[in-house]
Amino acid sequence: NAGVTQTPKFQVLKTGQSMTLQCAQDMNHEYMSWYRQDPGMGLRLIHYSVGAGITDQGEVPNGYNVSRSTTEDFPLRLLSAAPSQTSVYFCASTPTSGPYNEQFFGPGTRLTVL
Amino acid sequence: QQQVKQSPQSLIVQKGGISIINCAYENTAFDYFPWYQQFPGKGPALLIAIRPDVSEKKEGRFTISFNKSAKQFSLHIMDSQPGDSATYFCAASRRGGYNKLIFGAGTRLAVHP
Repeated sequence: NAGVTQTPKFQVLKTGQSMTLQCAQDMNHEYMSWYRQDPGMGLRLIHYSVGAGITDQGEVPNGYNVSRSTTEDFPLRLLSAAPSQTSVYFCASTPTSGPYNEQFFGPGTRLTVL
Repeated sequence: QQQVKQSPQSLIVQKGGISIINCAYENTAFDYFPWYQQFPGKGPALLIAIRPDVSEKKEGRFTISFNKSAKQFSLHIMDSQPGDSATYFCAASRRGGYNKLIFGAGTRLAVHP
């Protein structure tokens, strides 16, 4: 089991460029999430999905799009990058069973927008 | 709107000491309170979690204390070790379905030998 994988690990963009952050999980988890982590602000939920074909907005969705065509993959798209999107992005997956609905996080993508 | 407030922002403890991190929440509908541990360059990982039907949960050197009336919960790390040096996040969510976790701002813990 690779768990949750994210690519790329690092990325530098210019303002206005678009890109897709990839996330995949091999644990057959129904729930998947995208967070951004900024100093002093913890992790904030961007978008989440409760199953293939179903997505919803989190706390900070503006400037980001998601889709969920398969259980395994949950890509995050930046439509027109802005310096305010400089952050570390984490993808997480969650099983629907178990006592604590533990979220399993990927290793993160560090994004810098110039 | 910060629904989960975490303190302190940073903490330095000597090896063998007790590390204490506090969190307070506002939404009384929250009923699941996990703590996540994050090492540099890694994603957060679940450390320990509690539901409000108990006031304390202990796993090894890690203990969560929960005070429902005060809407506060804390993480105690006994016999702190240099390997415990990491950033710790408290979080809260409502039970059922997708648990939309609300995270605290994080505490950077350094345990000195």
